Amino acid sequence: GQQLNQSPQSMFIQEGEDVSMNCTSSSIFNTWLWYKQDPGEGPVLLIALYKAGELTSNGRLTAQFGITRKDSFLNISASIPSDVGIYFCAGPVGYDKIIFGKGTRLHILP
Amino acid sequence: EADIYQTPRYLVIGTGKKITLECSQTMGHDKMYWYQQDPGMELHLIHYSYGVNSTEKGDLSSESTVSRIRTEHFPLTLESARPSHTSQYLCASSEWPRAGGYNEQFFGPGTRLTVL
Repeated sequence: GQQLNQSPQSMFIQEGEDVSMNCTSSSIFNTWLWYKQDPGEGPVLLIALYKAGELTSNGRLTAQFGITRKDSFLNISASIPSDVGIYFCAGPVGYDKIIFGKGTRLHILP
Repeated sequence: EADIYQTPRYLVIGTGKKITLECSQTMGHDKMYWYQQDPGMELHLIHYSYGVNSTEKGDLSSESTVSRIRTEHFPLTLESARPSHTSQYLCASSEWPRAGGYNEQFFGPGTRLTVL
């Protein structure tokens, strides 16, 4: 079945650093989604991408829909402590559901 | 902020007990979902519903059952809990997808279940 592969699995960074993570698939997706999950909470949608090559920003977050439709990238600039959490990429499968990657865990070192 | 609620937030029970995890949303969404997530891991869809009286099994097999008698309410039941059911259970809802687009799934805060 379809699968989303996220890398890196974990990141340990200093406050103020920029962050890059990506998501790849063996299948084509027509929509890419990036969610963030804070500890003890449910995921929240950060950015949705609908068109190959699209670059979309949400504050310090920027995401890109790869031109092959098989990958997507999320960048966070000037990280702050509240950026800590798990970042999931996801893609719709038909009209019924979405599948999630395994997540990238972001840790900020004191 | 999403108006989707789950109770209880935390539940610790003994093996063999029957439990019901509650999920309700006030957004009038037709579609609702249950996901299972081990701590810090990926989400797996276990049940979903298109609307009242509709329930479907998800990608991950689960011994739990769901019902959808009212639009706003989508409870999940385990008839006899076992330690293997220990996990986090997340409920979500969304509108019907618009043509050519995607409608966001809004998630509740989750119920962390521990079966001893």
